[in-house]
Amino acid sequence: GAGVSQSPSNKVTEKGKDVELRCDPISGHTALYWYRQSLGQGLEFLIYFQGNSAPDKSGLPSDRFSAERTGGSVSTLTIQRTQQEDSAVYLCASSSRTSGITDTQYFGPGTRLTVL
Amino acid sequence: GEDVEQSLFLSVREGDSSVINCTYTDSSSTYLYWYKQEPGAGLQLLTYIFSNMDMKQDQRLTVLLNKKDKHLSLRIADTQTGDSAIYFCAYSDSWGKLQFGAGTQVVVTP
Repeated sequence: GAGVSQSPSNKVTEKGKDVELRCDPISGHTALYWYRQSLGQGLEFLIYFQGNSAPDKSGLPSDRFSAERTGGSVSTLTIQRTQQEDSAVYLCASSSRTSGITDTQYFGPGTRLTVL
Repeated sequence: GEDVEQSLFLSVREGDSSVINCTYTDSSSTYLYWYKQEPGAGLQLLTYIFSNMDMKQDQRLTVLLNKKDKHLSLRIADTQTGDSAIYFCAYSDSWGKLQFGAGTQVVVTP
């Protein structure tokens, strides 16, 4: 079946502009995660959605970052007023995790964001 | 200090075995994972081990877990050029969030 998909695959933007990154998780997966991979910082957790529960936003680096998950499926990560330090690969993952059970996360190919 | 530590680089000859080591600090982690990332690609799950196991074998891959020392290793037998990649060790916290190491770049030479 289809894996996790992300769009766009590459995004180049100017400093100060807003960007939206999209993630389509594997069908039926209730948990969705966003991570960021950047030079010098490695892989960092950003935000986690589980079903209809309030998201865990503890990894978001600033209030310029926000994310939504509509209908328990597609998620959008929005970065407002982008800065050069936001340049990174943004990875989305999904899993069929249910409460009390940890399940494997499957990753999308990522969106490479470059802020000029 | 870092939650997950890995050596940054490993060079291995084709046909030899590779061993990638990882240490972690969170003793409550239930699952520990190895992910592979090839250039320009996303993360591919290679294998995982449940914390009450000490070994798991999957074809050319062997995972060893020493829970007392919080040490995890990945052995790749008969390493091939296609195994050249960055390998990430990770554990999941109680909410399922993954904590990753910095990654070990494995270079396979002919």
